[in-house]
Amino acid sequence: ETGVTQSPTHLIKTRGQQVTLRCSSQSGHNTVSWYQQALGQGPQFIFQYYREEENGRGNFPPRFSGLQFPNYSSELNVNALELDDSALYLCASSGGATGELFFGEGSRLTVL
Amino acid sequence: AQSVAQPEDQVNVAEGNPLTVKCTYSVSGNPYLFWYVQYPNRGLQFLLKYITGDNLVKGSYGFEAEFNKSQTSFHLKKPSALVSDSALYFCAVRDRGRSGAGSYQLTFGKGTKLSVIP
Repeated sequence: ETGVTQSPTHLIKTRGQQVTLRCSSQSGHNTVSWYQQALGQGPQFIFQYYREEENGRGNFPPRFSGLQFPNYSSELNVNALELDDSALYLCASSGGATGELFFGEGSRLTVL
Repeated sequence: AQSVAQPEDQVNVAEGNPLTVKCTYSVSGNPYLFWYVQYPNRGLQFLLKYITGDNLVKGSYGFEAEFNKSQTSFHLKKPSALVSDSALYFCAVRDRGRSGAGSYQLTFGKGTKLSVIP
């Protein structure tokens, strides 16, 4: 059984650019969530995907968007990057009724 | 709305001593409660969860947590701390009664940095 994997692990972008982050969910898990963790803060819920559709969204603007694929993998896209988008982006998968999340190692985005 | 408070930014404890990391929560219905640990530059690792049943929950690496409904608390404990326990600990809550859209959404506290001193 493989865990949640994310790519890339680190990346640097400049303001105004666009970024795509990728996530492969844990085997058998059909729900994927994305979280943003700013430095010194707890993770903040961005959105959740289930059966290839967005199924819940936190307080993030529309320039944060995502996809889920038939194999349950997922992408997070952020357009028009801002300096405050610098953070660790965590992908988590879940599949049980009690809903504990299993996290990947994260993608650290730096916006200059 | 649901929320989590971790009142201590940092907890220092001597190796071999018991440790407690505090967490209180607010949720409209009955909660699912979780503890996660994060090592530097890493993702979050699941430690334990409270779903229902016994108020004392045992988890990974010798950690346990006590659910107290009247005090809306879910404090993390370990009888004897190890230097390797030094990390950032996050408490999280999910509304058990919620289903459908966003139902797996967890709300996290800001984290407590645990330092175990040799």
